[in-house]
Amino acid sequence: GAVVSQHPSWVICKSGTSVKIECRSLDFQATTMFWYRQFPKQSLMLMATSNEGSKATYEQGVEKDKFLINHASLTLSTLTVTSAHPEDSSFYICSATPGTSGLDTQYFGPGTRLTVL
Amino acid sequence: SQKIEQNSEALNIQEGKTATLTCNYTNYSPAYLQWYRQDPGRGPVFLLLIRENEKEKRKERLKVTFDTTLKQSLFHITASQPADSATYLCALDPAGGKLIFGQGTELSVKP
Repeated sequence: GAVVSQHPSWVICKSGTSVKIECRSLDFQATTMFWYRQFPKQSLMLMATSNEGSKATYEQGVEKDKFLINHASLTLSTLTVTSAHPEDSSFYICSATPGTSGLDTQYFGPGTRLTVL
Repeated sequence: SQKIEQNSEALNIQEGKTATLTCNYTNYSPAYLQWYRQDPGRGPVFLLLIRENEKEKRKERLKVTFDTTLKQSLFHITASQPADSATYLCALDPAGGKLIFGQGTELSVKP
């Protein structure tokens, strides 16, 4: 149980285009979903927290107009990287938790490798 | 400033030995701390959670300790196997249900 999927697993796009990444909780309802970014040999950096039906909360330094997050249902959150540039190339990982308590375990997706040419 | 630090140097050990990984933090007072395993090109997989009022937690060959005075957690894998080779991440909650991760320690278990 507690499976989270991401789609696509990898994507290559041209500079200036937009890319949408989907995160789905397959066997539970995710009240809260988190989006992380990870550069090679570095830690996961939290980008934003999204709760179903409300606006995402972005971490300091993350541009909300560049990284659009939509959490339209209890099983789906999307991250859209708008006007992507080579410096946005990274490994994007989502996680989902069934509750709102800080003690709930986060279940991570397999990640999406974005390469911007 | 707030920091979570794990040994950035890779840990190389022989199969059958015990691997010990360290996670130190400063300027946090976490209610709990978690350990994850991450394989290359994959998302993290949850291993263990230990609360601030727990000194030690075990799960099969894994053991985690949590010393809130030293602000340190130790993660042990006993009877290590080559399949245990991966990067291990510690994470804690500053507040609000979100996790802050250390940079991870890469473990390599040689047969």
